[in-house]
Amino acid sequence: DGGITQSPKYLFRKEGQNVTLSCEQNLNHDAMYWYRQDPGQGLRLIYYSQIVNDFQKGDIAEGYSVSREKKESFPLTVTSAQKNPTAFYLCAHRAAGVRTAQHFGDGTRLSIL
Amino acid sequence: GDSVTQMEGPVTLSEEAFLTINCTYTATGYPSLFWYVQYPGEGLQLLLKATKADDKGSNKGFEATYRKETTSFHLEKGSVQVSDSAVYFCALIPDTGANSKLTFGKGITLSVRP
Repeated sequence: DGGITQSPKYLFRKEGQNVTLSCEQNLNHDAMYWYRQDPGQGLRLIYYSQIVNDFQKGDIAEGYSVSREKKESFPLTVTSAQKNPTAFYLCAHRAAGVRTAQHFGDGTRLSIL
Repeated sequence: GDSVTQMEGPVTLSEEAFLTINCTYTATGYPSLFWYVQYPGEGLQLLLKATKADDKGSNKGFEATYRKETTSFHLEKGSVQVSDSAVYFCALIPDTGANSKLTFGKGITLSVRP
């Protein structure tokens, strides 16, 4: 699994509801990332965190929130303010260093009921 | 800012054909370059990488060479298989610090016919 686990694999949201996607890594890496992928498109960065208790907005943070209370966990909440939440969400982590690659989880597919 | 440009797709090939997927980049200095592969319904997997000019990354029969003079990192495979059908993403990380973000190309879908 590349040291990173996303859950659930499929998630359904009702109108006006917040949902939380889980992302856990067991490699003790500081950096973690959340991306959104829409059909036939590339990845867009939602939020990222370089250290516990700190995170930064990416390119499309509106309607999303995150927390980083523990090094191994970086949950993403899709709030009711996100009007078009249907997408494939990917979490990634990265070892320290300038030239290290990001490694991704298997993703969560979120759909609206 | 930094950017990655991939050739337009999709690409359809017959099994055992030669594959080239073009990738060019815009970045200052010497970024690290990556190819990721995404199989249907899955996350992205790191396929190969190169961290300095003239480096060749290779994995599973795929190769890509870091060409600083042409700012390119084209992906090649001599003989594709049906199992290579996937979406391929080219990406870079600039050399400006440990907190740099990954910049992706838009990806290209490869379909291999038996």
